[in-house]
Amino acid sequence: GAGVSQSPRYKVAKRGQDVALRCDPISGHVSLFWYQQALGQGPEFLTYFQNEAQLDKSGLPSDRFFAERPEGSVSTLKIQRTQQEDSAVYLCASSFRYNEQFFGPGTRLTVL
Amino acid sequence: AQSVTQLDSQVPVFEEAPVELRCNYSSSVSVYLFWYVQYPNQGLQLLLKYLSGSTLVKGINGFEAEFNKSQTSFHLRKPSVHISDTAEYFCAVSDHGGSQGNLIFGKGTKLSVKP
Repeated sequence: GAGVSQSPRYKVAKRGQDVALRCDPISGHVSLFWYQQALGQGPEFLTYFQNEAQLDKSGLPSDRFFAERPEGSVSTLKIQRTQQEDSAVYLCASSFRYNEQFFGPGTRLTVL
Repeated sequence: AQSVTQLDSQVPVFEEAPVELRCNYSSSVSVYLFWYVQYPNQGLQLLLKYLSGSTLVKGINGFEAEFNKSQTSFHLRKPSVHISDTAEYFCAVSDHGGSQGNLIFGKGTKLSVKP
């Protein structure tokens, strides 16, 4: 079956622009996670959904970051007024059981 | 709070040699432990996981890891590496008792296998 997909794979934004990153999880996976991976670092947790409910957003770095999963499947991570420090790879993962996450290929965001 | 330390940022090794990638964690609660591999421009792929039971865990591609609770370590090993094992490897921990399971990652170890 299909794995986790993310789009776009690459995004270049000018500083101040808004961006939206999409994640299609594996069908039937209840849990969905977003991570941010800066260059040369390990992924860092951003936010977690169980179905459509956002249960933890403690990792979101600022109020410019917003995530949603309105129907409990596809999720969108939105970044408003992008800054250079937002440049990173954004990874989405989904899980049926909370201790086994399957990752998408990521979206590489470059803010100029 | 939980944390993960990967002691080596880069490990060069010759093909067919053995390799060990070191990982130590700190946590005040019981944890689940994971190793993921990341090939260039790709997402993370699960190599193996420790949830409970036997402390020696076998994963894909001939990798194995041993959970050592007293030393709070979860080192990854392979007896004979191939060129195709060249990638970045991440150790991760999640809260055993939590209902969420978000992962805390180390900074990664780049394994470079030379012919």
